[in-house]
Amino acid sequence: ETGVTQTPRHLVMGMTNKKSLKCEQHLGHNAMYWYKQSAKKPLELMFVYSLEERVENNSVPSRFSPECPNSSHLFLHLHTLQPEDSALYLCASSQDLGQLAKNIQYFGAGTRLSVL
Amino acid sequence: AQTVTQSQPEMSVQEAETVTLSCTYDTSESDYYLFWYKQPPSRQMILVIRQEAYKQQNATENRFSVNFQKAAKSFSLKISDSQLGDAAMYFCAYRFQSAGKSTFGDGTTLTVKP
Repeated sequence: ETGVTQTPRHLVMGMTNKKSLKCEQHLGHNAMYWYKQSAKKPLELMFVYSLEERVENNSVPSRFSPECPNSSHLFLHLHTLQPEDSALYLCASSQDLGQLAKNIQYFGAGTRLSVL
Repeated sequence: AQTVTQSQPEMSVQEAETVTLSCTYDTSESDYYLFWYKQPPSRQMILVIRQEAYKQQNATENRFSVNFQKAAKSFSLKISDSQLGDAAMYFCAYRFQSAGKSTFGDGTTLTVKP
């Protein structure tokens, strides 16, 4: 258990559905991340939030919409997805500022998303 | 742009023996961090070991150690006394300073044979 919890673990949705992925960290970190892991491809960084402010958006389609209401929670809102969006979505957190900054990312177990 | 290359898609090792996973990277920066993460079938990425580029001494963590060659931009992971629980996919990662600048390799799937 790394202190980063993702729900749901599995999600099946149609292309017209709207769903949200949730990530919660209990580590007191100030940065949170969304990654996409597709088969036979390296991890793709999607979004980064530092101190609840989005600091990076790696050309992700607008059908993915992140939300970071506070430093402990991160959401990924999904709408009108495509079958090629099926993947494992991983959330991570880190402490990137101050004396505790170690640049280590702690990952959740991921949400396995299938888009039909 | 930074890139991370893991040239071994799959590796296997006999239980109790030693295996080395290779990783090379490309960067123009002088100060950065390198990581090895393990992703078992449970899917949760777990940090195995971390190396700061400014440190010449190779990082070690119990049975895990790295061979960090900064000039060659090489960062290999050695697993000694391999155990069945070491079977997983291993990712090499590069991180430059602040939040967001992370690059991962394609991963190496390690099989441990009893």
